[in-house]
Amino acid sequence: QKEVEQNSGPLSVPEGAIASLNCTYSDRGSQSFFWYRQYSGKSPELIMFIYSNGDKEDGRFTAQLNKASQYVSLLIRDSQPSDSATYLCAAMEYGNKLVFGAGTILRVKS
Amino acid sequence: EAGVAQSPRYKIIEKRQSVAFWCNPISGHATLYWYQQILGQGPKLLIQFQNNGVVDDSQLPKDRFSAERLKGVDSTLKIQPAKLEDSAVYLCASSLARGRSYEQYFGPGTRLTVT
Repeated sequence: QKEVEQNSGPLSVPEGAIASLNCTYSDRGSQSFFWYRQYSGKSPELIMFIYSNGDKEDGRFTAQLNKASQYVSLLIRDSQPSDSATYLCAAMEYGNKLVFGAGTILRVKS
Repeated sequence: EAGVAQSPRYKIIEKRQSVAFWCNPISGHATLYWYQQILGQGPKLLIQFQNNGVVDDSQLPKDRFSAERLKGVDSTLKIQPAKLEDSAVYLCASSLARGRSYEQYFGPGTRLTVT
């Protein structure tokens, strides 16, 4: 069974700090990885995707991928209370199917 | 650009009844997905369509769930008969699935409560 593992949290950070969200995956064949943000009662919203080892930056968000360690992370700089949500990590399997983790709850305290 | 549309947004039914959900993907997106999200869990893929053909339905409980995508655009997901454990949010997503564009975009979901 191919799996994506995330710490359920909650991860609490003060406003303005860096939030670090982590994810590991079991399928070495996975090539692309996606981070979604999900507010309570809402559907997942795509934040970023990454398919190359290293870092990818988009505004306050940086995704990091280490295929050798099967590890993906999302850094959120200058965290804001509006960033408080559940963050879902997903790995793309063969056939363009996503396998999601259970998500990490992030709470940004003002 | 309009997003993925779903209806209804909420549905409450009794166990053993039937229910149907509708999805209209982003225009031009060939691939359509139905996911089930149980509270506290990540979305789980039920079925994947490429145009009007089924690519993967390995996790669809076929004794009670069915789905179709007529003309390669809109899709419906049906549950008959419903069980208590079907209470979840049913999410539809679509993807261009071409070149390097494999991102999936989700609709607002249908929250199903089975009593």
